[in-house]
Order: sequence, then C-alpha cells, then structure tokens
Amino acid sequence: RKEVEQDPGPFNVPEGATVAFNCTYSNSASQSFFWYRQDCRKEPKLLMSVYSSGNEDGRFTAQLNRASQYISLLIRDSKLSDSATYLCLVNRWNAGNMLTFGGGTRLMVKP
Amino acid sequence: DTGVSQNPRHKITKRGQNVTFRCDPISEHNRLYWYRQTLGQGPEFLTYFQNEAQLEKSRLLSDRFSAERPKGSFSTLEIQRTEQGDSAMYLCASSLASGYTEAFFGQGTRLTVV
Repeated sequence: RKEVEQDPGPFNVPEGATVAFNCTYSNSASQSFFWYRQDCRKEPKLLMSVYSSGNEDGRFTAQLNRASQYISLLIRDSKLSDSATYLCLVNRWNAGNMLTFGGGTRLMVKP
Repeated sequence: DTGVSQNPRHKITKRGQNVTFRCDPISEHNRLYWYRQTLGQGPEFLTYFQNEAQLEKSRLLSDRFSAERPKGSFSTLEIQRTEQGDSAMYLCASSLASGYTEAFFGQGTRLTVV
C-alpha cells in the first residue's frame, strides 16, 4: 500500500459544479499537509495548506481528518481553468522528514 | 527571479551517457528535495538535504544516481550510464526546516534518453 493515495480520476464535471477529492495517508506520524495543483508538463504549485481546523480560500476548502487519516479538497463553482491535476503532499516529521506526494487526481471541467 | 531554478530545462542524451542536473533553491531555504515524475504519475521522492547533509535517500535512487549539495547551497543530481527508463521529469524543491512550511518547486528538468 502506498503511503499517500489518491483516486487518479479523471473527474469530469460541468462548469459550475462542486467537486471533492480525498487523499488518504497511512503514516500516523504525518504532521502537515498541502494541496498542490499541477498543469500538464509544469511543476506543482502550492494551492493551499491544510490546517487541523480546516481552511478556505475563495472557492477552495481543505479539511483534515486525523482520526481517519485523510485530507480533502472541495472546489465550488468549478471553472474551466480549474482543469488540472491536484496533488496532495504529506510531511512526515519522524525520522526522515520526507515530503511524500500522492499520485494526483485529474480534474477536467467541461463547458 | 528568487524562486527555485533548475538547469537545464530539457536534456536529450544517448543511453549509457552520464548527465548532471543543477538546482538552485530559494536562498534562505535549508531543505532541498529531488523528485522524479513520469507521465500520469505523482512525483516520486528521490532524496533530500538539510543544508549540506543528505538525510534520506529513496530506494529508487540506485547506485547510478548521486546527489550532492556542497556548502548547502545549490545541488546537483547526476545519473551515470543512463537507461531509457530514466526518462522523466526531475523536479527540485526547497523549503525551510520547519515542518509546517510548504515546498516550492523549480520548473524541472525533462530528461529523454534515446
């Protein structure tokens, strides 16, 4: 089992839809979490950090569920420009302090 | 530009040749990470440095791969005797040592082994 897992998708949604992705992690020592967006053949770019209390940035909401070991990303009112791959990144603070990515979830927003 | 810089952006090499990539992190960042990404997959961790010390290496990093970060500034990733399976995007990221801070990525070096 991979340490960080995501549904690869693709999620095909119409403009204006609400879509949610989950990312599960297996190592309970994981301490901080992030969502990145990656466009085709580009580098990942930080979308938002994920705090224990949840956080919101415009149309995007991120949440953390430590008990069930997953983070989520909710996108409301999807735009065509939201089409991309969404990667979760998990920081494990115990020996190694690795930053581990999930495999990414591909989102395609259609007109 | 004060972001993470990677060079070259693209590299085409013949199988069996050695290649070296360079990463210049954000200047105040003491952590530096290397990842490899193939099409349709998430970035796979290769190795990371805190200052000049290489603290962890993935099992993906075979003995043909070596990374250095002399003086804790820029880093190089060398692949010896390249194979077609090494074709991928090699991404570098840097961050502060605090676990709560995000990592910033360079634009990557795309390697094609022919």
